[in-house]
Amino acid sequence: GQNIDQPTEMTATEGAIVQINCTYQTSGFNGLFWYQQHAGEAPTFLSYNVLDGLEEKGRFSSFLSRSKGYSYLLLKELQMKDSASYLCAAMDSNYQLIWGAGTKLIIKP
Amino acid sequence: GAVVSQHPSRVICKSGTSVKIECRSLDFQATTMFWYRQFPKQSLMLMATSNEGSKATYEQGVEKDKFLINHASLTLSTLTVTSAHPEDSSFYICSARGELTAYGYTFGSGTRLTVV
Repeated sequence: GQNIDQPTEMTATEGAIVQINCTYQTSGFNGLFWYQQHAGEAPTFLSYNVLDGLEEKGRFSSFLSRSKGYSYLLLKELQMKDSASYLCAAMDSNYQLIWGAGTKLIIKP
Repeated sequence: GAVVSQHPSRVICKSGTSVKIECRSLDFQATTMFWYRQFPKQSLMLMATSNEGSKATYEQGVEKDKFLINHASLTLSTLTVTSAHPEDSSFYICSARGELTAYGYTFGSGTRLTVV
C-alpha cells in the first residue's frame, strides 16, 4: 500500500533550526512536496523535489533521497509565524498526491 | 502565478439543506480539479477528482449522490453538498492542476462548512 509517515508534533525555539522528516512508500514516484498550512487556512506550496539532494529556498530547505524513500524539510532562523502544520505529500505514478497527516510545529519564544 | 478562487469561505446551513461551493481558476485552465475534506487536526482527505467535461471519480467511501461535483468548464468546478447533516461539517478545499501549475497543485482558500 501507499503510505506517508511524518511526526505528529514538534516543538522548537524561536531563532533555532528544526528538521521535519518524512518517509514515503508509493506506487511509482513523481516527486515529493512540502506544504505549510496555518490553522483554518488552505495549504501553501513550499517545495518540490524529484531528484536526490538538497534544494535551498531562503530559510527553508528540502532534501530528498529516493533510494531511502526519505525527505526532510529544514527550517532555519525560526520565527513565530512559522508555527503551522507542515504537510508532506508524494506523487505516485498516476500523478496523484499521497498526503501525510502533517506535522504540527510549535515555536516557543 | 496560478490562482484559485474558492467561495464561500464560510457557510452555516441548516440540516437537510444543500450547499454549493465554487472554485475558479483565475489565470489558467484547470484541466483537473481535486476536492478535499479536512477534519480538525487531520490531514487532507481526497474526496474526488474531476476532469473538465467528464464525470468525477470519487474515492472509496465518498457518496457521489451526496457530494455532487460539476466541472463543466476549464475554469470552474463546483461541489454541492446535498441534504447536509452535522457530520458533514468540515473544511472543504479544492485544488487545481493545469499547464501553469508546474509544481503540481494550486489550492483554493477553503470553505468552512458548519451544519446546524
